[in-house]
Amino acid sequence: KAGVTQTPRYLIKTRGQQVTLSCSPISGHRSVSWYQQTPGQGLQFLFEYFSETQRNKGNFPGRFSGRQFSNSRSEMNVSTLELGDSALYLCASSRRTSGRESYEQYFGPGTRLTVT
Amino acid sequence: SQQGEEDPQALSIQEGENATMNCSYKTSINNLQWYRQNSGRGLVHLILIRSNEREKHSGRLRVTLDTSKKSSSLLITASRAADTASYFCATVTSGANSKLTFGKGITLSVRP
Repeated sequence: KAGVTQTPRYLIKTRGQQVTLSCSPISGHRSVSWYQQTPGQGLQFLFEYFSETQRNKGNFPGRFSGRQFSNSRSEMNVSTLELGDSALYLCASSRRTSGRESYEQYFGPGTRLTVT
Repeated sequence: SQQGEEDPQALSIQEGENATMNCSYKTSINNLQWYRQNSGRGLVHLILIRSNEREKHSGRLRVTLDTSKKSSSLLITASRAADTASYFCATVTSGANSKLTFGKGITLSVRP
């Protein structure tokens, strides 16, 4: 079974621009979560999508948004980029269906975003 | 915000030795998970322990959970150079739409 894939792997953008990152989950996984990882803040939860609906959201400004398609693939978008948005963005998928289940997550390799 | 806090922040041991990493958390949990990350790459799930479990094994890994102390430990026995990585504990709270909350991680270096 193919793992979680993320594209692109590396991205350099300028302040004020916007960016879209893509994530393809493991086949059969319908839950997709996004995380931001920085040296200062560590791993921070952005949001989770299930069946094309945002099920949970972290404490990030509205510049961070996402969506999920009917095939469970997900995208996240960051508008009006700031220097502080430079980070590794990780996508993870899981077999989770109900919000109350215990679940393990399978992570992609991440997209390294650099904002200059 | 971080729920889990790992201890120590960094650990350096010789190949063949055991490595013990600790994690403390603040609120009640449904389960606790440990992940490994190699050099800025994606995380790999290692083990999940539920709140009603006290100990779990997987190969060279042993995880304990003490819900009364709100703490967990990860033991890697007979460490190898390939175990060099960052290790994170992550908690899942009870309730609807719970999410994984990660600690800041422990950097483990295993010297050959």
